[in-house]
Amino acid sequence: GQQLNQSPQSMFIQEGEDVSMNCTSSSIFNTWLWYKQDPGEGPVLLIALYKAGELTSNGRLTAQFGITRKDSFLNISASIPSDVGIYFCAGHPGNQFYFGTGTSLTVIP
Amino acid sequence: ETGVTQTPRHLVMGMTNKKSLKCEQHLGHNAMYWYKQSAKKPLELMFVYNFKEQTENNSVPSRFSPECPNSSHLFLHLHTLQPEDSALYLCASRLGLAGDTDTQYFGPGTRLTVL
Repeated sequence: GQQLNQSPQSMFIQEGEDVSMNCTSSSIFNTWLWYKQDPGEGPVLLIALYKAGELTSNGRLTAQFGITRKDSFLNISASIPSDVGIYFCAGHPGNQFYFGTGTSLTVIP
Repeated sequence: ETGVTQTPRHLVMGMTNKKSLKCEQHLGHNAMYWYKQSAKKPLELMFVYNFKEQTENNSVPSRFSPECPNSSHLFLHLHTLQPEDSALYLCASRLGLAGDTDTQYFGPGTRLTVL
């Protein structure tokens, strides 16, 4: 199946710093999703995007649906220790979902 | 209970055992999914059910057998597994109506270890 390219693979940042990660696809998607997964748990939906150009916020998180419909980014502002985890992008053109390889975030207090 | 639940959360089994994973969703959704998540790999879709009918089998070996008795429950029956089948198995559900503006919600997963 299709794979989304997600970068960076891992990040180590100081508490309080801002974080940015992105996801690209070779195909056009109609929906972009961002999930966070804690160790030993399932992914939890953070933000869903439905329109090209859409910019959506959820607390300190902001995500955008790229104009080309082939990319999306996620920003986290003023990171805190509980932001630690793996962040996945996902997109779907229909019934099936495609997932990125994940960005592992470590926040150093 | 709300959301998507999975039992058991952890399972250790031998290669000759038969076991089943259970998923239940309390969201009124019509589509349910099984995924396999191995270390350092993207989520791998295994099966998709829409309104209790299997609509996707992503070339999964026959030692994995899904069952969807109703829209709220999904099972994954396991038999004669291999050590490389050890992974986190995730269930997800989605409203599943026409169009693609609804999102997928995951359960906590079952951590499976095959000895």
